[in-house]
Amino acid sequence: DADVTQTPRNRITKTGKRIMLECSQTKGHDRMYWYRQDPGLGLRLIYYSFDVKDINKGEISDGYSVSRQAQAKFSLSLESAIPNQTALYFCATSGRDTVEETQYFGPGTRLLVL
Amino acid sequence: LAKTTQPISMDSYEGQEVNITCSHNNIATNDYITWYQQFPSQGPRFIIQGYKTKVTNEVASLFIPADRKSSTLSLPRVSLSDTAVYYCLVARGYQKVTFGTGTKLQVIP
Repeated sequence: DADVTQTPRNRITKTGKRIMLECSQTKGHDRMYWYRQDPGLGLRLIYYSFDVKDINKGEISDGYSVSRQAQAKFSLSLESAIPNQTALYFCATSGRDTVEETQYFGPGTRLLVL
Repeated sequence: LAKTTQPISMDSYEGQEVNITCSHNNIATNDYITWYQQFPSQGPRFIIQGYKTKVTNEVASLFIPADRKSSTLSLPRVSLSDTAVYYCLVARGYQKVTFGTGTKLQVIP
């Protein structure tokens, strides 16, 4: 969905490096999410935010941190990247205008940690 | 959050109707049932959502029995482009949702 953008789309980094993945949305939604997906597996929730002052851990938050800089922006950071964080990362949004938490996903960021 | 169970994979020939059933025995009164579709290397995309009975849109139908302990996503006359992973979710507003591994549908020519 073009209303949810992620940058970068692809990233290669080395073990120990700090990396930030960014998500922006123009849908006016108040809720934003970060997921990771590993090959053959479903999506696992890393962090979610129901508004600018609300940040919550998901299933697999260890090794990650987030920042909700504004309603439209939600960034995911890997403070010290490790190879098992190699995955496809998705940002998603939902809002009060969506029927029962329908989520809208960005195109994904493919991250490779060497 | 209600746990969902769905088949890991299904195969279907082009032109056939495909029904994917999801079990959600501990669904709560206020929970809605939502289905998403995911193509390789893309984010999931909302397909359909319902609370009870039957819902139909231009893409699919969703059948929910009276006890709401299961639901069936029906895709009419599938084509190769319907090959994807389909996720069943059960949740209500202001909850984080959990995506399982979904059902991988392979459409065969």
